[in-house]
Amino acid sequence: QKEVEQNSGPLSVPEGAIASLNCTYSDRGSQSFFWYRQYSGKSPELIMFIYSNGDKEDGRFTAQLNKASQYVSLLIRDSQPSDSATYLCAVKNLEGAQKLVFGQGTRLTINP
Amino acid sequence: GAVVSQHPSWVICKSGTSVKIECRSLDFQATTMFWYRQFPKQSLMLMATSNEGSKATYEQGVEKDKFLINHASLTLSTLTVTSAHPEDSSFYICSASDTAWRTGRGYTFGSGTRLTVV
Repeated sequence: QKEVEQNSGPLSVPEGAIASLNCTYSDRGSQSFFWYRQYSGKSPELIMFIYSNGDKEDGRFTAQLNKASQYVSLLIRDSQPSDSATYLCAVKNLEGAQKLVFGQGTRLTINP
Repeated sequence: GAVVSQHPSWVICKSGTSVKIECRSLDFQATTMFWYRQFPKQSLMLMATSNEGSKATYEQGVEKDKFLINHASLTLSTLTVTSAHPEDSSFYICSASDTAWRTGRGYTFGSGTRLTVV
């Protein structure tokens, strides 16, 4: 079982709709959760981070964390073609271990 | 804030030569830097973690003698690919973290270096 799992997609969403991206993780000791966006040929860009159960909103983006169920999701409202990218979920596992564990990413396409 | 600069953006080198990639944190002190490699259509693979002033910690399967990492200051880490071969061609990305990881400011990525070995 992979430590961080994402549906690789592609996920296709019409412009203006809500895109929902999901991520599950195996380590219950995980503390911090990150969503990165990566355009083709570019390096990842931090979209959101969350470490408390519940929702965290930033503009059109909402991160949702449920530690009991071990999943974290990212909602993108009013999807735009510029949101088309690969979205990477990353998890920080242990207090002393600083490295992030990445999922394989979900490729999102927003159709005009 | 939280800018990480990585150079060069791309490099082509001959097989057998060495290539050095630099990663700098411009507006914060990076106590820890991470080096990743990414092959086409694949996710990021962590190669090593380096803390300023100490030896890097390499992930399993990564040859430490081939991928030399130096983190001599709080703002600069370098990755040297020694005796590069075509199979080392990849997208190399650094990431820097300061102690304020809870703010999310940590884990900022550099722009990446595309290495092509011919």
